[in-house]
Amino acid sequence: AQTVTQSQPEMSVQEAETVTLSCTYDTSESDYYLFWYKQPPSRQMILVIRQEAYKQQNATENRFSVNFQKAAKSFSLKISDSQLGDAAMYFCAFRNYGGSQGNLIFGKGTKLSVKP
Amino acid sequence: EPEVTQTPSHQVTQMGQEVILRCVPISNHLYFYWYRQILGQKVEFLVSFYNNEISEKSEIFDDQFSVERPDGSNFTLKIRSTKLEDSAMYFCASSDSRAGGSPLHFGNGTRLTVT
Repeated sequence: AQTVTQSQPEMSVQEAETVTLSCTYDTSESDYYLFWYKQPPSRQMILVIRQEAYKQQNATENRFSVNFQKAAKSFSLKISDSQLGDAAMYFCAFRNYGGSQGNLIFGKGTKLSVKP
Repeated sequence: EPEVTQTPSHQVTQMGQEVILRCVPISNHLYFYWYRQILGQKVEFLVSFYNNEISEKSEIFDDQFSVERPDGSNFTLKIRSTKLEDSAMYFCASSDSRAGGSPLHFGNGTRLTVT
């Protein structure tokens, strides 16, 4: 069974600085997708970024980028030029490549605080 | 931007009572999901639904749970006889495809408190 581990329950960053959130996962599959979701106090889960396992290039979305290390089964999220609005819970998630499993498997989350 | 909406935002119920959580998925989406998050724990998959039937369900989704799409817009989760351990945040989600890369769009969640 697949598992997703986020080893940092809480992180803090100064506004305008860079922070990296860690995520590791375990799977025997070779094709899959990885996601980072953000959950602000409004509680809505918002997709931040997505990575296809078969792509070597790391995904980037504006100030958000990932460091995807397939062999190490590591998928960290880097937030550059942190803003106050980035404060939220961040969840790493895994999903199989189509097939029989359509559901997302989440980590426990990392609570990010941004200091002005 | 279209959103998934959930009602109510908070539901308090007594143990043994039935509760129905409601969701309106994004209108052109065909795949619907329920997840739950017990306080301080992981977000867990409960069930996925497509073409008016359950596609997949987890071990958590036992006979006490059921889902329904009673009309063209609503998607509901029913818990027949609530237990204390059912207290959690319940998230509805929808997607336009079940392909692994298709993102799930989540609602704001319903906080269920069972007393």
